[in-house]
Amino acid sequence: AQSVSQHNHHVILSEAASLELGCNYSYGGTVNLFWYVQYPGQHLQLLLKYFSGDPLVKGIKGFEAEFIKSKFSFNLRKPSVQWSDTAEYFCAFYSGGYQKVTFGTGTKLQVIP
Amino acid sequence: IAGITQAPTSQILAAGRRMTLRCTQDMRHNAMYWYRQDLGLGLRLIHYSNTAGTTGKGEVPDGYSVSRANTDDFPLTLASAVPSQTSVYFCASSDSAGNTEAFFGQGTRLTVV
Repeated sequence: AQSVSQHNHHVILSEAASLELGCNYSYGGTVNLFWYVQYPGQHLQLLLKYFSGDPLVKGIKGFEAEFIKSKFSFNLRKPSVQWSDTAEYFCAFYSGGYQKVTFGTGTKLQVIP
Repeated sequence: IAGITQAPTSQILAAGRRMTLRCTQDMRHNAMYWYRQDLGLGLRLIHYSNTAGTTGKGEVPDGYSVSRANTDDFPLTLASAVPSQTSVYFCASSDSAGNTEAFFGQGTRLTVV
């Protein structure tokens, strides 16, 4: 079965600190990868996605993610976080074999002013 | 453009009662999904539909049923609610199954007592 692992369940950072959230998926074939963000009390919104091409993907609000196929990873990064980045972040992937999008358990990010 | 509309936004339901959560999208997306979000478990797929007239089971389908009579509507029914079905339910849609981003509704907070 396909699965996604997000290693950090809760991350607390000060403003201006750098962020890296880990995401690993388990599937040997071609995948589409996503990061979604859920701000407090809101629904999920797409942050960025990777389907093919340059493995370094840039998304909204200064976020980026790097797809490393050999490590089955798609880590999310931001050089300098802001208080407004406080949210829950979900990694997800889609595989043609299962024709479903699978989400990780999420990482809650708390940014302290 | 409304995107995805879910109703109700919240509901308290007595155990054993039947309940239908409504989901409507106006983007003419082929694929629609129902997820439940629980603390520490992330989003888990309940049922999905890759196109009108077809449905499939996700990770946690037991106790739930869906129908997809047309492109726009994807109701989720709890035939006989149990307290373990207390959760936040999100409906989502995408243009095709996983090949594009998913758009999420605002969620339905369901409490079964």
